Order: sequence, then C-alpha cells, then structure tokens
Amino acid sequence: AQSVTQLDSHVSVSEGTPVLLRCNYSSSYSPSLFWYVQHPNKGLQLLLKYTSAATLVKGINGFEAEFKKSETSFHLTKPSAHMSDAAEYFCVVTGRTYKYIFGTGTRLKVLA
Amino acid sequence: EPEVTQTPSHQVTQMGQEVILRCVPISNHLYFYWYRQILGQKVEFLVSFYNNEISEKSEIFDDQFSVERPDGSNFTLKIRSTKLEDSAMYFCASGGYFTDTQYFGPGTRLTVL
Repeated sequence: AQSVTQLDSHVSVSEGTPVLLRCNYSSSYSPSLFWYVQHPNKGLQLLLKYTSAATLVKGINGFEAEFKKSETSFHLTKPSAHMSDAAEYFCVVTGRTYKYIFGTGTRLKVLA
Repeated sequence: EPEVTQTPSHQVTQMGQEVILRCVPISNHLYFYWYRQILGQKVEFLVSFYNNEISEKSEIFDDQFSVERPDGSNFTLKIRSTKLEDSAMYFCASGGYFTDTQYFGPGTRLTVL
C-alpha cells in the first residue's frame, strides 16, 4: 500500500530565503511522486513529477525535488522564496493504479 | 492551455437532496477522477473512470454516489441523498493515456445544511 507523510503542517520563511517542504513516502511498487500547489480559491496545480528518469526533478517557478530511495523521501526545495509562493503544497504518490494518495499538506507562509 | 473546469463553484443544499457536480475534463483525456477534501483534512480519492466504467473506487464511494459521462465532454458526480458529512470541496481531475499525471479543476465547494 502507498502512503505519504508531510512532516510539517506549516512552514514560515522570509522572502528571499530558501524553502524546504518535507515529504516521506511508503510504497510497495516503484512510485510516481508529485508535488502540487494550491493557491487560495484555486485548483491544484502540478509543480513537478518524479518517475524514475532522474532523481533530481525540476519544476515550475524555480522549485525542485530530490528523490532519495534510501531515505524514502521526496523533499521540495526552492533557493529563494517569493511572496507569490505562499500557498498550500501537497505531496502525492501513486503506485500500481493511477489513484493519487495525498499527504496532509503543508501551508507555506512567506514573510516580507 | 487546456484546463479542467467545474461547475458550480459553490453549491448549497439541504440534507437529503440530490446534487450533481459537473466537470469538463481536458478534451483528449481518457481517465477521469473525483476527489474530495473535507475542511481541514487531506484530499481523498473517491473514484476513477475509464472507458465508460468505474475502474476503481474508495470505501467512501458508496451507493449514494454515482458517476456518469453523459456525453463526450462532461463528467458528473451525483450524490443521491446528501448528508451533513458530504460537505467538502470536490475536485475533478483528468489524465491522458499512458500517463499517471492528473490535471485538476478548481473544485466545487458543497455545503449541506
């Protein structure tokens, strides 16, 4: 069975400082892993996706994530936070079927 | 850029009433999904739909729920007799062939009074 744990429910960073949102996964199959972002009153937007081609995945808006099989982690990072990054971020895993298993989400706050 | 759309954005209904939530997936996609997010909780899978039939459903998706693709463009979720606990944000998603990437709509907020 697949599961996802997002280790922080809230993260606050100052504008211009690095962002780290943590995600650990569990999967009986070779997983696909995703990060989605949800801005207030908006839908879920795909940030990036891992599918075994490369362990470091680059996404939109300067975000990237590194797949570490030994640590079963898929943490999301960005070198320099922008005010527009304030949103909720979801880590997602799929396995044998295409059904998404979501983490509980991390709300990112960016301070001026 | 093509996107998934959902209507209405917000629906208020009385307990026991039927509701139909509508979605227009991306036009060349073949896989369709419904998820829900109860306020303060995680997004949960409800059902997946492919080739005009349900391919997988969760325990939440009981006999009160049904899905339909009534024409070539719409994908609907019907809740036959709503309960208070059905109040949630409902997301539709679609995906193309041979990919597990899903594209989500903006959601319908359902409030059951």
